[in-house]
Amino acid sequence: GQSLEQPSEVTAVEGAIVQINCTYQTSGFYGLSWYQQHDGGAPTFLSYNALDGLEETGRFSSFLSRSDSYGYLLLQELQMKDSASYFCAPLWDYGQNFVFGPGTRLSVLP
Amino acid sequence: KAGVTQTPRYLIKTRGQQVTLSCSPISGHRSVSWYQQTPGQGLQFLFEYFSETQRNKGNFPGRFSGRQFSNSRSEMNVSTLELGDSALYLCASSSRGFERGYNEQFFGPGTRLTVL
Repeated sequence: GQSLEQPSEVTAVEGAIVQINCTYQTSGFYGLSWYQQHDGGAPTFLSYNALDGLEETGRFSSFLSRSDSYGYLLLQELQMKDSASYFCAPLWDYGQNFVFGPGTRLSVLP
Repeated sequence: KAGVTQTPRYLIKTRGQQVTLSCSPISGHRSVSWYQQTPGQGLQFLFEYFSETQRNKGNFPGRFSGRQFSNSRSEMNVSTLELGDSALYLCASSSRGFERGYNEQFFGPGTRLTVL
């Protein structure tokens, strides 16, 4: 089975840095991915980590530690448009269903 | 490329009725997945179709069913609607074949179903 945990809400101010954590318990694990969903919109793929370490994509970075069953999404230079929900999801393995974490709602304040 | 499209965007039904939702994936994508999204339960996986075959299925009752056509378009059906079926139903397509570790999915805008 698979289970993922994320904080339900995070609040930060414009220009700040915020980290959204994801801890997981899965049988068979190939990495972690992240999706962003604005209110009223569809989830969009942000990034993924197939290996331990930090992956950087512009203002967004994602980190994975398999030994700790833990990953995080790091958002730098926060902008108002980053206010959204963020979901972590394990990369797919045979026989596994697609699973998403419960989501973290990020509110960016002026 | 055109994105994933879903029809209809909004639906209002009453308990006991049935509903069919449609999804057209990105051209060339053979994998189509369906999700139910509610405020309390987040994104719940319903099923995935690949080349007209159901490849994976989530923990939903048999009232939820789907199918995929030869052009990869997919439909999902919910019979005997219950109040708790009110949700946003999202469809996602992927170019994923059989490779592990790949799960980039492209989501459609969803169908908002309200059951009265």
